[in-house]
Amino acid sequence: QKEVEQNSGPLSVPEGAIASLNCTYSDRGSQSFFWYRQYSGKSPELIMFIYSNGDKEDGRFTAQLNKASQYVSLLIRDSQPSDSATYLCAVTTGNQFYFGTGTSLTVIP
Amino acid sequence: DAGVTQSPTHLIKTRGQQVTLRCSPKSGHDTVSWYQQALGQGPQFIFQYYEEEERQRGNFPDRFSGHQFPNYSSELNVNALLLGDSALYLCASSFSGRASTDTQYFGPGTRLTVL
Repeated sequence: QKEVEQNSGPLSVPEGAIASLNCTYSDRGSQSFFWYRQYSGKSPELIMFIYSNGDKEDGRFTAQLNKASQYVSLLIRDSQPSDSATYLCAVTTGNQFYFGTGTSLTVIP
Repeated sequence: DAGVTQSPTHLIKTRGQQVTLRCSPKSGHDTVSWYQQALGQGPQFIFQYYEEEERQRGNFPDRFSGHQFPNYSSELNVNALLLGDSALYLCASSFSGRASTDTQYFGPGTRLTVL
């Protein structure tokens, strides 16, 4: 079983809509949770991190963490074509980062 | 404030050769982690260096080795290159003190092609 699982997509949403990206993890002892954005051919760029259960908002982005269900999600409000990228979920377990394979998001103008 | 830098940007090698990749961490950071990212996959953890020592290692063979220098910069060495080593190699830096899971910031990566 993979440590971190994401739906590879592709996920397509119209411009201005809300994009919802999901991630599940296998280890209940996981401590920290991160979302990175990666444009094609580029390196991952940190969007936000969350440590505690609940929601964390930063501009158009909201991360949601539910440790009991072992999932973390990212909501992107008012999606823009520039948000089209692969979104990577990362989880720390035992002092190590584990990444999912990423979800490809396309925002259609 | 300089971010994480990596060199070279691209590299082409042949099977059996050896390669060295370099990374300078973001200003104020003391920890460097290395990842391998194959096409269509997420980054896979290779190892992490802190205080010039390998603190954590992922599931990679001994052909992959590294080093951290007193100025916190780091090198990744890969010996006896295989075709399957072709990937984007990412360096990430963080400030972690005694914790090893603080937020990591990535460099631009080195694209290695093995022919």
